[in-house]
Amino acid sequence: GENVEQHPSTLSVQEGDSAVIKCTYSDSASNYFPWYKQELGKRPQLIIDIRSNVGEKKDQRIAVTLNKTAKHFSLHITETQPEDSAVYFCAPYNNNDMRFGAGTRLTVKP
Amino acid sequence: DAGITQSPRHKVTETGTPVTLRCHQTENHRYMYWYRQDPGHGLRLIHYSYGVKDTDKGEVSDGYSVSRSKTEDFLLTLESATSSQTSVYFCAISAREGGGEQFFGPGTRLTVL
Repeated sequence: GENVEQHPSTLSVQEGDSAVIKCTYSDSASNYFPWYKQELGKRPQLIIDIRSNVGEKKDQRIAVTLNKTAKHFSLHITETQPEDSAVYFCAPYNNNDMRFGAGTRLTVKP
Repeated sequence: DAGITQSPRHKVTETGTPVTLRCHQTENHRYMYWYRQDPGHGLRLIHYSYGVKDTDKGEVSDGYSVSRSKTEDFLLTLESATSSQTSVYFCAISAREGGGEQFFGPGTRLTVL
């Protein structure tokens, strides 16, 4: 099965700084690459996703980049705000097999 | 939030007892999933369904069974609960084949004593 690793496991930034979380995966057949955000005590929610035929996608302050050759994709958050504090999960997907990373706890300090 | 509910939201039970968790959706989505979430492991797929009466195993299916007799309901059963099954269980739904957004339910916190 797919082996998924996320780095770092925790990340603390000052408000206004940028944050980058990287996800590496092992299955070269993976073709869908989402990022989910989970606030404390809440359900995970999709914040951005990308498919294997696209290298980068942006939505306001968040972006995802994909390097299929190296088998990793990254979440970029610019101008971080306290409400960005949460746990972020990557979940590369192939054929109904979606494996979540262990998560990255992002803390944005005011 | 998408129309997805889980019941019960909290349950405490004893080792060896059967437990059934229910996921109900009003979105008419084809795909439904059960995950468990434990510290340090993210979410792990237990079972999923790709239609009525069509189910398949996920990464951590041992000790769990599922049933889907109607589009809107997906049941997860622990035949004989063990302490290692203490976890938060999330149901999710998706409309798209080939990978797409999954909408999660509010979760069920299960404690097995």
